[in-house]
Amino acid sequence: DIQMTQSPSTQSASVGDRVTITCRASQSISSSLAWYQHKPGKAPKALMYKASSLESGVPSRFSGSGSGTEFTLTISSLQPDDFATYYCQQYNSYPITFGQGTRLEIK
Amino acid sequence: QVQLVQSGAEVKKPGASVKVSCKASGYTFTSYGISWVRQAPGQGLEWMGWISAYNGNTNYAQKLQGRVTMTTDTSTSTAYMELRSLRSDDTAVYYCARGEEYQPGDYWGQGTLVTVSS
Repeated sequence: DIQMTQSPSTQSASVGDRVTITCRASQSISSSLAWYQHKPGKAPKALMYKASSLESGVPSRFSGSGSGTEFTLTISSLQPDDFATYYCQQYNSYPITFGQGTRLEIK
Repeated sequence: QVQLVQSGAEVKKPGASVKVSCKASGYTFTSYGISWVRQAPGQGLEWMGWISAYNGNTNYAQKLQGRVTMTTDTSTSTAYMELRSLRSDDTAVYYCARGEEYQPGDYWGQGTLVTVSS
């Protein structure tokens, strides 16, 4: 199975900050990486696919980059609605696997 | 608009089975597959498997093989996930998500809490 490792596990930040979350795959997954935002009691929300493509309706302050084994999700200017847990997911091969999550909290 | 509406919360005893439904609307059901993902309390997201709504092909997570069955009913645009021989560590919120094979889920259901307790 491909292991996905996110860092940090928790990040404290303020509104307006630039935030970067990293996701590493245990082997190359090309660009088959998605990012999700998850808030308690709600369904995960798809943010990015193919590592750097923005899902429809997602604000442009979200961006993604990377290929192979190293990927990043960047939020250029944090907004109050962005405090949530973020997960990366590889869909290059079965079983599909998720990172353990990065909790973004208010500083 | 695309919507996936899941069935309500369930409480089951260990050893029982549960069947969660996911009714799709707003798109051509057979043009996409459905993935199932769960989240145990305090844990991350775990992929359970995927089913093609076009031909019923499935791919299950190895750890659930033999206990999980995913099906679809194209007449009602509904996907189902049945999990048997329930254990306490199957307690989780179960989500369905629309997506083609080897693609991420773009629309997700609201989640179904399944509690396994004696």
